[in-house]
Amino acid sequence: NAGVTQTPKFQVLKTGQSMTLQCAQDMNHNSMYWYRQDPGMGLRLIYYSASEGTTDKGEVPNGYNVSRLNKREFSLRLESAAPSQTSVYFCASSENRVGYGYTFGSGTRLTVV
Amino acid sequence: DQQVKQNSPSLSVQEGRISILNCDYTNSMFDYFLWYKKYPAEGPTFLISISSIKDKNEDGRFTVFLNKSAKHLSLHIVPSQPGDSAVYFCAANKRHAGNMLTFGGGTRLMVKP
Repeated sequence: NAGVTQTPKFQVLKTGQSMTLQCAQDMNHNSMYWYRQDPGMGLRLIYYSASEGTTDKGEVPNGYNVSRLNKREFSLRLESAAPSQTSVYFCASSENRVGYGYTFGSGTRLTVV
Repeated sequence: DQQVKQNSPSLSVQEGRISILNCDYTNSMFDYFLWYKKYPAEGPTFLISISSIKDKNEDGRFTVFLNKSAKHLSLHIVPSQPGDSAVYFCAANKRHAGNMLTFGGGTRLMVKP
């Protein structure tokens, strides 16, 4: 099925460990996004990539890095995980047109202990 | 400070009745608004949108109303069905910001049979 695929679905890390969250879309969208969801806070933008070869910081970028590997793939890296990064992470893709709805992946639930 | 607010964390409605979900925003640069629906363990899915040049948009059982002077929008679901039970997120897009969205905190709707 066409859409956005995220891996892994679940992950437990120890404080200080690193990991990369993978995201791939097969919808030929130009723009990709990483959000985190926390209770009562909604979805907050971490990083986005308006097109292949570009990345920009969102609302909460500290502690994260991203790579837009090609048009399909956009990865999110935690270099040194902290308990404050315990969250559900969503990747999304869209066309870079106002009002164009995002297609979201099913999320990665990350716990940092 | 949250620029998009959903002040009701939860809402309970009887099947067949109307559900009204509310959203307020503070930034007058927002000119496109979207609603997303999220089931547990899934990513959000796009539901309906409205441009700031309109005050109403309808799609089947779902209608979104926009009151620009009050910086307020609402989503009406008529009639409500048990399958509508989910978390609903309001999102807004700023003029000249491509397709970047700012999300509210979400409202959990429970439709009782």
